[in-house]
Amino acid sequence: EPEVTQTPSHQVTQMGQEVILRCVPISNHLYFYWYRQILGQKVEFLVSFYNNEISEKSEIFDDQFSVERPDGSNFTLKIRSTKLEDSAMYFCASSVDSGSTEQFFGPGTRLTVL
Amino acid sequence: QKEVEQDPGPLSVPEGAIVSLNCTYSNSAFQYFMWYRQYSRKGPELLMYTYSSGNKEDGRFTAQVDKSSKYISLFIRDSQPSDSATYLCAMSGGGGSNYKLTFGKGTLLTVNP
Repeated sequence: EPEVTQTPSHQVTQMGQEVILRCVPISNHLYFYWYRQILGQKVEFLVSFYNNEISEKSEIFDDQFSVERPDGSNFTLKIRSTKLEDSAMYFCASSVDSGSTEQFFGPGTRLTVL
Repeated sequence: QKEVEQDPGPLSVPEGAIVSLNCTYSNSAFQYFMWYRQYSRKGPELLMYTYSSGNKEDGRFTAQVDKSSKYISLFIRDSQPSDSATYLCAMSGGGGSNYKLTFGKGTLLTVNP
């Protein structure tokens, strides 16, 4: 059964460093998303991406964040200068169509900022 | 008022019990309603997906949506220890936010053998 994959599973970084989180969405899906979940809190939407551009972003997704689909299979989230409060689980998701249909999530990347 | 409210539990039931989980929401524009299951430190796994009001059944799981009351439910029949997880409700649709899912905080369920 096709699934969303994410690498790495755990990333530890120093405050101020750049990190890139990687995702491989399900192959026939057209819409891609990033969410995050701070420990003990809700899953929160960050950004959606379609046709090589951002469709929607939340207020969390400020200038420190960027997304890219560098090739036909990968979808990345970059945080330019990490802060302590960026520590969270980051989930990639994909869907065949817009967010009104099922979104399938990857296993997540745990980001720890020291 | 929070956009999606969900009782975090924890909820503990004996094996074989019927479990009822629910969420309320405030945004009347939500059209699509989902239930996800999340095991500890794993990604959310889609369980049920419903459009607008009504019921949907899949095996031991039944999802109900009552848009007039802004209330959704997930019922689990004959609960099993393997059902022990956090259950998240999520919603989307309407206006300029067709893409994003808005989640509840999740209900932690333990099914005891």
